[in-house]
Amino acid sequence: ETGVTQSPTHLIKTRGQQVTLRCSSQSGHNTVSWYQQALGQGPQFIFQYYREEENGRGNFPPRFSGLQFPNYSSELNVNALELDDSALYLCASSHTRGGRDNEQFFGPGTRLTVL
Amino acid sequence: LAKTTQPISMDSYEGQEVNITCSHNNIATNDYITWYQQFPSQGPRFIIQGYKTKVTNEVASLFIPADRKSSTLSLPRVSLSDTAVYYCLVGDRYSSASKIIFGSGTRLSIRP
Repeated sequence: ETGVTQSPTHLIKTRGQQVTLRCSSQSGHNTVSWYQQALGQGPQFIFQYYREEENGRGNFPPRFSGLQFPNYSSELNVNALELDDSALYLCASSHTRGGRDNEQFFGPGTRLTVL
Repeated sequence: LAKTTQPISMDSYEGQEVNITCSHNNIATNDYITWYQQFPSQGPRFIIQGYKTKVTNEVASLFIPADRKSSTLSLPRVSLSDTAVYYCLVGDRYSSASKIIFGSGTRLSIRP
C-alpha cells in the first residue's frame, strides 16, 4: 500500500506566475484535501475533492483552484502568485469525506517559494 | 466550530512522561478530539482520537474528563524522536475536512 505522494518537493516561482502542484492519494482513498501551511503555523484548509467534485472550501481566493481525476489523484493550481503564497502545501487523502474517524493521511508537502 | 487552545511550547527530557493539555470549551455533542504529530518538513500524522474518558494505543494515551472541555495527550517515556509539533483538533467525526481546524500546535522539545 503506497502512501500519499506529492510533486514537486520544492518549487521557486516569481510573483504573478502560475503554479501546479500534484498529489497522488493513498490506495483506496477517494477524497483529497489541500492545506497551506505558513512557517510556524498550523495547516490551513484550502479545499477538498470527493469523487472529482469540490466538497468544501476554506477562506482562499478563487485564484486557488483544483482538480481531482478519476484515479483520485489531484492538482492544486495557484494563479497570479503573491509573496504570501510562499508556504508548505500539503495534500491529505482519506477514505470518505469524513474519513475513518476523520483520519487524514498527509503527504510530505511541496515547499513553494515566491520571489 | 470549537476552537482549541494549547501551550505554544513544552520542554522535557528523554524517558519522562509528557502531558500536553488542550482546552476546547465550546466542544459540541458530536465532536471528537483528535491529535496529530508533525515533524519538520513533513505532513501531520494521526496519533490518537477519542470522545470521552480514556483512549490508549501503542503510541499515546488520551484523557478526556467528563465535561469534555479539555483533553490531555500523554506520551509515555519520550525519546528525542518525539520532538515535534502536536496539534489538537476538535470536530464532528463524520464532517468534511472543511470543519477540521488546525491551531498553531504545541512545539515539544525533548532533550537528552
